[in-house]
Amino acid sequence: DQQVKQNSPSLSVQEGRISILNCDYTNSMFDYFLWYKKYPAEGPTFLISISSIKDKNEDGRFTVFLNKSAKHLSLHIVPSQPGDSAVYFCAASASTASKLTFGTGTRLQVTL
Amino acid sequence: DGGITQSPKYLFRKEGQNVTLSCEQNLNHDAMYWYRQDPGQGLRLIYYSQIVNDFQKGDIAEGYSVSREKKESFPLTVTSAQKNPTAFYLCASSPTGVDGYTFGSGTRLTVV
Repeated sequence: DQQVKQNSPSLSVQEGRISILNCDYTNSMFDYFLWYKKYPAEGPTFLISISSIKDKNEDGRFTVFLNKSAKHLSLHIVPSQPGDSAVYFCAASASTASKLTFGTGTRLQVTL
Repeated sequence: DGGITQSPKYLFRKEGQNVTLSCEQNLNHDAMYWYRQDPGQGLRLIYYSQIVNDFQKGDIAEGYSVSREKKESFPLTVTSAQKNPTAFYLCASSPTGVDGYTFGSGTRLTVV
């Protein structure tokens, strides 16, 4: 049972344009959401997070939007840069738990 | 520099053999985790530990075992009972809960 889903396995965006990565979840107990970036043969690194009490959080070129009623969140990267090319994982947790549940990942390719 | 170290980076195992993956952290984090990454399946939780001498099964614990005798160390043993052990294994730690999750650089295990 995949509680966190990233339905787009890959995405290609031109440099300078906006990248939008999507994530859906099914567990209504999830109240904290994170995005991680991963390069091949390396561990994921934290990008940005959002609590369920907010609907938007911004950090530089990265913005995460949360729509609780739709159980949907998205990561916007503006402008996209070639160095953003990586696999992006959405993750979620419930405040009562101490573990993260990850999505399947979306591979972003930023082209010149 | 504080961090989390996984060793070895690459590991080959013959079928029927047990193998132990090392994970050490000097971040003074209480919680430690083991995840497995397979193509198209994201990161799946194997085991986690919130405190020394205590650990819980994750979503795919069958065929694996762990120990947490020291705060700094959380080794994972892949036993011969694990039917499909070839994968990329990631260890992570966090102070409490899910904030500050830090990942190691991973161990790629191949069964030959």
